[in-house]
Amino acid sequence: AQSVTQLGSHVSVSEGALVLLRCNYSSSVPPYLFWYVQYPNQGLQLLLKYTSAATLVKGINGFEAEFKKSETSFHLTKPSAHMSDAAEYFCAVSISGGYNKLIFGAGTRLAVHP
Amino acid sequence: NAGVTQTPKFRVLKTGQSMTLLCAQDMNHEYMYWYRQDPGMGLRLIHYSVGEGTTAKGEVPDGYNVSRLKKQNFLLGLESAAPSQTSVYFCASSSAGTNPLQYFGAGTRLSVL
Repeated sequence: AQSVTQLGSHVSVSEGALVLLRCNYSSSVPPYLFWYVQYPNQGLQLLLKYTSAATLVKGINGFEAEFKKSETSFHLTKPSAHMSDAAEYFCAVSISGGYNKLIFGAGTRLAVHP
Repeated sequence: NAGVTQTPKFRVLKTGQSMTLLCAQDMNHEYMYWYRQDPGMGLRLIHYSVGEGTTAKGEVPDGYNVSRLKKQNFLLGLESAAPSQTSVYFCASSSAGTNPLQYFGAGTRLSVL
């Protein structure tokens, strides 16, 4: 069975600092991996996705994630945090043939302070 | 460019009342999903549908029923609401095929008193 673990339910960084949000997955078959962002009182917006084409995936708003099979990780990074990055971030996994169902992590709330 | 539309946006119910949440998509997607979001638990799949007239259980189906009478609509019903069903509900849709994107609605915030 697939599962997703996000380490750290809350992360706080200073504006301009590196953002690192951690995601580890468990899957018996090659997974598809996603990062979504949720701003307060809004729905989910796709940041980026990994579908085996390239291990380093670039997304919107300057975010990127690297797929590391040996570590079963898909951590999200951004070199320089902006105040507008404050939101909740969800890592998710799905597998081919599973009707595209998503398994989500518990989420990480990112706070950015001046 | 409506995408996925959920109605209502907010609702307060008393224990034992029933209600139906409506999800409509205008992208001609085959697959539709209902999730619930609870603090510290991410989103969990309640039910999903892979085509008109077909539905299947997800991770947390108890207490909910669904119907997909038309391809563009996916209804989530609570026959007898319980406080444990207080949550934010999200609908999503995707096309069929190898792992296309899911598109999410804005959510329905439900409180059961």
